[in-house]
Amino acid sequence: DIQMTQSPSSLSASVGDRVTITCRASQTINNYLNWYQQKPREAPELLIYIAFNLQSGVPSRFSGSGSGTHFNLTISSLQPEDFATYFCQQTYTTPWTFGQGTKVEIK
Amino acid sequence: QVQLVESGGGVVQPGRSLRLSCATSGFSFDNYGMHWVRQAPGKGLEWLAVISPDGGNKYHTGSVRGRFTISRDNSKNTLYLEMNSLSAEDTAVYYCAKAGPGDYGYLDYWGQGTLVTVSS
Repeated sequence: DIQMTQSPSSLSASVGDRVTITCRASQTINNYLNWYQQKPREAPELLIYIAFNLQSGVPSRFSGSGSGTHFNLTISSLQPEDFATYFCQQTYTTPWTFGQGTKVEIK
Repeated sequence: QVQLVESGGGVVQPGRSLRLSCATSGFSFDNYGMHWVRQAPGKGLEWLAVISPDGGNKYHTGSVRGRFTISRDNSKNTLYLEMNSLSAEDTAVYYCAKAGPGDYGYLDYWGQGTLVTVSS
């Protein structure tokens, strides 16, 4: 199975900060990398698909980049509603696998 | 709008079985692959299974293969997960999710989840 490792596991940031979360795959996954946001007691929501494509309705302050084994999710200016946990997911080969999550907390 | 509503969760004894359902609306159900994902309390997401639009192809992750079975009824726009030989490690919120367009595997809509608690 492909292992997905996110860093950091958690971070504290202020409103307006630029935040970058990294996801590394144990082998190349081309661009088959997706990002989800999950708020407490809610289902995950798709933010970015196939590495850099913004899901409809997602604010443009979210962006994805990377290829191969190394990917980033960037929030250009953190907003109060962005405090949540973020997960990456590879869909290059079954079984699809998720990273362990990155919790973004208020500083 | 797209809606996915899971049901069938609850408290079940170890070794018993349970069937989850996911009723869908707002899209052409028989045109999309469907998935199950679970999340143990306080933990991350674990992808469990996928089924093709016509139900002819299925894949289950290793931790549930042979115990869980994904299925669908396109006439009812409903997805199922049959779970057998349940153990405490299966305690989790179970989400159904719709595959996005194309063959890229991403999950563009999720249900609200149903909690399964395996306990004696």
